[in-house]
Amino acid sequence: GAVVSQHPSWVICKSGTSVKIECRSLDFQATTMFWYRQFPKQSLMLMATSNEGSKATYEQGVEKDKFLINHASLTLSTLTVTSAHPEDSSFYICSARDRVRGQSGANVLTFGAGSRLTVL
Amino acid sequence: GNSVTQMEGPVTLSEEAFLTINCTYTATGYPSLFWYVQYPGEGLQLLLKATKADDKGSNKGFEATYRKETTSFHLEKGSVQVSDSAVYFCALWGHAGNNRKLIWGLGTSLAVNP
Repeated sequence: GAVVSQHPSWVICKSGTSVKIECRSLDFQATTMFWYRQFPKQSLMLMATSNEGSKATYEQGVEKDKFLINHASLTLSTLTVTSAHPEDSSFYICSARDRVRGQSGANVLTFGAGSRLTVL
Repeated sequence: GNSVTQMEGPVTLSEEAFLTINCTYTATGYPSLFWYVQYPGEGLQLLLKATKADDKGSNKGFEATYRKETTSFHLEKGSVQVSDSAVYFCALWGHAGNNRKLIWGLGTSLAVNP
């Protein structure tokens, strides 16, 4: 079945540094990838939608300059948390929509296992 | 906007017990409804879905029926197993305008004891 690999699974960094999280679709092409953030005991919050070869669409309230998203190929999207601060500590999850299956309107997404970011 | 309200957990059951996790939604139009499951250390997986009223999604012994009159999509399983221990998320996908995205419930943690 479809697999999305997300890396790293956890990362600890110092305040002020930048952290990059990768999301790869391993056995399918993903024209659209979604980035979510999840706080403890809260629901997943959609941060942005990235389409291959174009700029990401950010949800209201999400800082574009803080959370840089790049979707350079049909199998890779990256989220870079720039100048991270403790309040950016969270669980980040990506998901991908299969280019072929997505055309059927199934709207079935494949999720990565998530990345736990801790900013000291 | 669209929203999903999901029964809070954690839920603890004995093996072979009956499971119900309630999910209700608010949406304009006719959304698609989903249940996702997240096993420990793994990514979210689609468990089942329904795309129109009265549809019943089913998978691995789990079922949920799209009830438009009560705006609900409750998840049920007649006999749970230890391997069903996971976090379950109810979600909807809107089809109009800015609602073309997944809206999530908070998730319900299920622990099944042998």
